[in-house]
Amino acid sequence: TQLLEQSPQFLSIQEGENLTVYCNSSSVFSSLQWYRQEPGEGPVLLVTVVTGGEVKKLKRLTFQFGDARKDSSLHITAAQPGDTGLYLCAGPNAGGTSYGKLTFGQGTILTVHP
Amino acid sequence: EPEVTQTPSHQVTQMGQEVILRCVPISNHLYFYWYRQILGQKVEFLVSFYNNEISEKSEIFDDQFSVERPDGSNFTLKIRSTKLEDSAMYFCASSVRGANVLTFGAGSRLTVL
Repeated sequence: TQLLEQSPQFLSIQEGENLTVYCNSSSVFSSLQWYRQEPGEGPVLLVTVVTGGEVKKLKRLTFQFGDARKDSSLHITAAQPGDTGLYLCAGPNAGGTSYGKLTFGQGTILTVHP
Repeated sequence: EPEVTQTPSHQVTQMGQEVILRCVPISNHLYFYWYRQILGQKVEFLVSFYNNEISEKSEIFDDQFSVERPDGSNFTLKIRSTKLEDSAMYFCASSVRGANVLTFGAGSRLTVL
């Protein structure tokens, strides 16, 4: 079974600070996805990283896929209160017979204080 | 923007009762999924559905669970005889053919008393 471990589990910071969330596994993933989930809502896809070493930017969010495709990070620059939420990493299970079977990390709850 | 819609948003039921959770996937999507998230735990895959049959299911998806696409739009998850441990948020998702990019609904919160 492929597992994804996220750290930290909780992050409470002041507006304007930078932060990094990590997603690690002992298994290789063909791709990794980052989702953001707000209370009462389902996960919303932020980005998919596919190539080892890939870096993708989404405004103040920078996503990186490890060279060995076993880990990923999400870096937020100058965090704002609107960034508050649950951030999830997820990856497709290897050996599955269908698409869409994702393994999720346990999530990082980010709180940005004004 | 197209979205996946789920009903009900919250259902409270007694242990042993049958529950049906409903989902309307995005219209041009062909793959459909159910995931669940027990409070404080990870989002877990339950089942994937394509071409009117189950493609894959997890160990959680035992005989108490079933899925159906009764018409061209709805995708349902039925729990035959609910248990306390079935209390969770149930998320429906859909995707286009051959992609691991899923669009999730807002979820249905099931509370079993």
